[in-house]
Amino acid sequence: DVKVTQSSRYLVKRTGEKVFLECVQDMDHENMFWYRQDPGLGLRLIYFSYDVKMKEKGDIPEGYSVSREKKERFSLILESASTNQTSMYLCASSLEGPKYGYTFGSGTRLTVV
Amino acid sequence: QQPVQSPQAVILREGEDAVINCSSSKALYSVHWYRQKHGEAPVFLMILLKGGEQKGHDKISASFNEKKQQSSLYLTASQLSYSGTYFCGTEDNYGQNFVFGPGTRLSVLP
Repeated sequence: DVKVTQSSRYLVKRTGEKVFLECVQDMDHENMFWYRQDPGLGLRLIYFSYDVKMKEKGDIPEGYSVSREKKERFSLILESASTNQTSMYLCASSLEGPKYGYTFGSGTRLTVV
Repeated sequence: QQPVQSPQAVILREGEDAVINCSSSKALYSVHWYRQKHGEAPVFLMILLKGGEQKGHDKISASFNEKKQQSSLYLTASQLSYSGTYFCGTEDNYGQNFVFGPGTRLSVLP
């Protein structure tokens, strides 16, 4: 069964900490995405990557960065966590943009205190 | 720009039908539908391309009216397993700028 795996289901971090969220996919997909999910706002795109070492800003990139050193792994980095970054973070991958659908990970619920 | 979904939430009894709507202010190339059950990852249901097509599988189907820039998801004879949040996603007329709607929460009661 193909999978997108996010390393942590729940995380609690302190304000100002540097936070790493890891995502690994086993489908050999070119495209990987990081979304943030908040009630009433749906899923908002933070960053995406179409290839190794390539990254593109999404709709809400401020306060975040990403790293893609290997095809299967896409990391989201919160340089200095703030309370307004408390949210559910979802990683996704796709074969060719949204055309064939995204496969999502189960999410990481991050709480910044 | 994020599409609009209506209703925001709906409660049904098992066996009843529901319609969830998704509309955009922009010309659309495609509309996508996903379902997310509580505590789980969103799951891709279907994609509809411009051309006014209709799709479906099992008792869930959808239509896409490109002239009205809207899509509707139809859930027929709903089952308990249909409960969850339904998201539409839209691509603009150039097949770019994919964006999700805010979601519609569907609860099916026995």
